[in-house]
Formats: sequence, C-alpha cells, structure tokens
Amino acid sequence: NAGVMQNPRHLVRRRGQEARLRCSPMKGHSHVYWYRQLPEEGLKFMVYLQKENIIDESGMPKERFSAEFPKEGPSILRIQQVVRGDSAAYFCASSPPNSHINSPLHFGNGTRLTVT
Amino acid sequence: DQQVKQNSPSLSVQEGRISILNCDYTNSMFDYFLWYKKYPAEGPTFLISISSIKDKNEDGRFTVFLNKSAKHLSLHIVPSQPGDSAVYFCAASSTGANSKLTFGKGITLSVRP
Repeated sequence: NAGVMQNPRHLVRRRGQEARLRCSPMKGHSHVYWYRQLPEEGLKFMVYLQKENIIDESGMPKERFSAEFPKEGPSILRIQQVVRGDSAAYFCASSPPNSHINSPLHFGNGTRLTVT
Repeated sequence: DQQVKQNSPSLSVQEGRISILNCDYTNSMFDYFLWYKKYPAEGPTFLISISSIKDKNEDGRFTVFLNKSAKHLSLHIVPSQPGDSAVYFCAASSTGANSKLTFGKGITLSVRP
C-alpha cells in the first residue's frame, strides 16, 4: 500500500464546502483508479484516468464530482458542495502503462471524508 | 443490483483450523477474480487471484477455488492465524473492462487464539 500515496488521510468538511482528494500513483504508473467505500459496503468504482485523459467515468455521480490526472502532479478527485452522503473512504489505485489486462490493482490507504 | 455477493458478513474460527470464505457472482462476463484483505484504516491489500481458465490457484496458506458453472468462488486459509483477522473482499472483472473491479461487501474474519 505504501507505493500509492493519498492525502490527506482524513478530511472534515462542512456541508456546502469543497473537498479535494489527492493521489500520487506508484512511480512509473500512468493509470489511476478511484473507488469509494460507503459504511458497511464494498468498494465501488468511480473513475479511471490516464495522464490527461478520463478513460471511464461510469461510476462518477453526474453532479458535483470531477477528477483529473494532469501531466505533472497527482490525480485529484474534487467534490463540490459536499453533502453528508459524501462521507466515505475514498481509495485510489494505480497501474503501469501496458499492464496486463488481468493484473491486480494496488491501493493506497485512502482518504476518509467526513461531512458535518 | 449486486453482481458480487458475500452473503456471510462474518466468520470466526480457531487458530490452526481452516477458514473458508465464500463469494457468488451473477455476471457471466466476469473472467478474473481476486481476493483482497483489509485492515482498519488501511487500503485493501491484494491477496490472491484466479483466471476463469483455472479452477484452483494456490499461494502458501491461501487457495482460491472457482466453480464457473455455479458462479461461485471460495478462499481457503489453512492454517488460520490470528494475524489473518481482517475484512476480506471478493472482487471480479471482465477482460476489456480496463481492470475495473466489482467488489462484494466483505466478510469480517476473526481468528481466535
């Protein structure tokens, strides 16, 4: 898990504020995945990005959520005007370019977002 | 619509005995299956995987069995150790799905000393 770095580990926001979650993939990795875990649930896919491209955002809520993975710097998951239902653990995973299709994802330790 | 189901929320076993964790899936397109282990306040850690062309994969104390006709897989841990106490997630993906994983809700395993 140490290879994929997420920060902050804990984030508290009031309703209506913005939350920005960061993910630095493992060195040499250019693919990033974001997952969300609600209480008592499994992880749910949100978005898959490669450098400067969103490949699959089928799991992203249609409003208030956005993600980017710029050429330089970490991937950012942004949640605007947070609501209590956004409280969850957000996990990032990364994989190298040209990785075998069936290869496991390795996750960071997550950001725990609490909306008060 | 839950495509990966872990119907037992918890399991308790004695140290040294076998732990059997079960998982069922509904999507026939799934062809790659994984087990992850998760400790509190940490991310999921990859444990073992199996491709649909196999029915068994073994790695040390961990063995995963796949029954495609029943759409069922299981993780066997033997012998179980107290350090194995964690939440175990079953996950599945299909070729061409960009490694997008569908997870079950997890099973909490407690191994009693």
